[in-house]
Amino acid sequence: AQSVTQLDSHVSVSEGTPVLLRCNYSSSYSPSLFWYVQHPNKGLQLLLKYTSAATLVKGINGFEAEFKKSETSFHLTKPSAHMSDAAEYFCVVSDRAAGANNLFFGTGTRLTVIP
Amino acid sequence: DTGVSQDPRHKITKRGQNVTFRCDPISEHNRLYWYRQTLGQGPEFLTYFQNEAQLEKSRLLSDRFSAERPKGSFSTLEIQRTEQGDSAMYLCASSLAGTATDTQYFGPGTRLTVL
Repeated sequence: AQSVTQLDSHVSVSEGTPVLLRCNYSSSYSPSLFWYVQHPNKGLQLLLKYTSAATLVKGINGFEAEFKKSETSFHLTKPSAHMSDAAEYFCVVSDRAAGANNLFFGTGTRLTVIP
Repeated sequence: DTGVSQDPRHKITKRGQNVTFRCDPISEHNRLYWYRQTLGQGPEFLTYFQNEAQLEKSRLLSDRFSAERPKGSFSTLEIQRTEQGDSAMYLCASSLAGTATDTQYFGPGTRLTVL
């Protein structure tokens, strides 16, 4: 069975400081992993995705994530936070090797950026 | 804007009424998904279509819920005899099967409030 655990429900950082949003996953097969961002009153936007290629994945807006199989983690990072990064972030897993097509979302991490 | 549209964006109804939502996917996408997101939670998978065939349904999709995609293009999600517990954001996503990552692109959602 697939699942994700987002270790922090809320993260607060100062503008210009690094961002770390933590995610651990559980999957029976080789997973595909994603990070989506949801701004208030806007739809979910794909930030980046891992699909068994390079373990360090670069996404939009300066975000990146590293797949670590030994730790079953897929943490999201950004070197320097911007005010526009304030949003809800979701870690997502999908077991396509198992034939599944639906996505399993974590409960989300709300990122606050302090000026 | 991902190219996936949903209508209406907001719906307020009284308990016991029927409601119908529409989703228009990205035009060349053959897969269409429905998710439900309640306050403070990540989206949960409801059902998905490949072309006009409904291939998977979650146990969350009770008998009061029905989804269709009659011509393999737009889809409708109907909820009969609405209950207060149905209040949520209903999200639609689409993807192109057969591509390496089968990435899902989400619409802005329909927010349902049942009074």
